[in-house]
Amino acid sequence: QKEVEQDPGPLSVPEGAIVSLNCTYSNSAFQYFMWYRQYSRKGPELLMYTYSSGNKEDGRFTAQVDKSSKYISLFIRDSQPSDSATYLCAMSLSYNQGGKLIFGQGTELSVKP
Amino acid sequence: DTEVTQTPKHLVMGMTNKKSLKCEQHMGHRAMYWYKQKAKKPPELMFVYSYEKLSINESVPSRFSPECPNSSLLNLHLHALQPEDSALYLCASSQASGRIYNEQFFGPGTRLTVL
Repeated sequence: QKEVEQDPGPLSVPEGAIVSLNCTYSNSAFQYFMWYRQYSRKGPELLMYTYSSGNKEDGRFTAQVDKSSKYISLFIRDSQPSDSATYLCAMSLSYNQGGKLIFGQGTELSVKP
Repeated sequence: DTEVTQTPKHLVMGMTNKKSLKCEQHMGHRAMYWYKQKAKKPPELMFVYSYEKLSINESVPSRFSPECPNSSLLNLHLHALQPEDSALYLCASSQASGRIYNEQFFGPGTRLTVL
């Protein structure tokens, strides 16, 4: 079993839809949770960063962490064609791990005009 | 300036060549990383430098040799690579205190092809 599971998709939605992207994990010691967006042939871009459980909102993006269920989500409201990309969840242990991120497989999202 | 730059963008090399990838950041970050990414896969960590010292080597073959000449620069020296080493090589940087290790900023990558 992988430490972090993420459905690779592809996921196709119409413009304006609400998108829900999810990851589950097995290691209850993970404390830091991130979402990266990666456009084709580009480097990943940090979208959201959360510590422990709870919600964080930034514009059209909301990140949720449920540590009791070992489940994290990224919601995209009013999705746009420019949101078409691969979304990677990532997580890590305490800062003593020195920056080692564990990535999910990535979900490929396509937003159709 | 919140940018990590990488050169070259593309590199084609033979198995007997020696080449280097370069990465630069001017965000004052003291942790820098090399990742390898194959198509439709997540990035795989190769090396971490913290305060210019190698802190993590993920059992990478010796044909990959990292170097951190100063706090802004990171190099990856390549020698005697195999075709299966063809991939996108990503550099990232972050602050290096407390939990801020995790907010890693990535460069655009170097697409490497080994013939």
